[in-house]
Amino acid sequence: NAGVMQNPRHLVRRRGQEARLRCSPMKGHSHVYWYRQLPEEGLKFMVYLQKENIIDESGMPKERFSAEFPKEGPSILRIQQVVRGDSAAYFCASSGTSGRLSDTQYFGPGTRLTVL
Amino acid sequence: AQTVTQSQPEMSVQEAETVTLSCTYDTSESDYYLFWYKQPPSRQMILVIRQEAYKQQNATENRFSVNFQKAAKSFSLKISDSQLGDAAMYFCACHAETYKYIFGTGTRLKVLA
Repeated sequence: NAGVMQNPRHLVRRRGQEARLRCSPMKGHSHVYWYRQLPEEGLKFMVYLQKENIIDESGMPKERFSAEFPKEGPSILRIQQVVRGDSAAYFCASSGTSGRLSDTQYFGPGTRLTVL
Repeated sequence: AQTVTQSQPEMSVQEAETVTLSCTYDTSESDYYLFWYKQPPSRQMILVIRQEAYKQQNATENRFSVNFQKAAKSFSLKISDSQLGDAAMYFCACHAETYKYIFGTGTRLKVLA
């Protein structure tokens, strides 16, 4: 019974490069959420996706950030032209098929992005 | 807008003693859930306990229990018989809108041997 999986666990990029973070939800889950945790802060919501649809991206920076959850394969959070301020831990969570308030979100182990 | 406030950046407790971590929240929703998550140095987010707002009874999970005061919008976590493995960051979170969890800034718990 695998939980939410994220890879890589650690990612180092130089300024201007692209970062691609992957998230495989728990088996049977079709709702994926991305959160960002800046140093010494709590997690902040970025985007909510269902299969092939972005439901809410109100927490995503307007530029350089994008997310997708294709019909097949993991969800991808993509950061183009990374800057030092993008250094953070990025967490993915998933929930059951209904996406209701009562559905608990289960978190993955996170990807720690370091931008040099 | 929802907010979650953890006013204790750091707490210490002696092994085997009891400690209480504070959390207050604000939401205009009538239906919501509250959580405490533990984040050890591995940074994995581990669900400690969950409370449904419409339930009067305080949630309990082994050595972890909450004091949920709905009128005061307070949701504190009590850890009994503290163990060295309890040392971690603890985050309080509110889930009121359908998909957004709102997290506090965390409390770092140190357990002294």
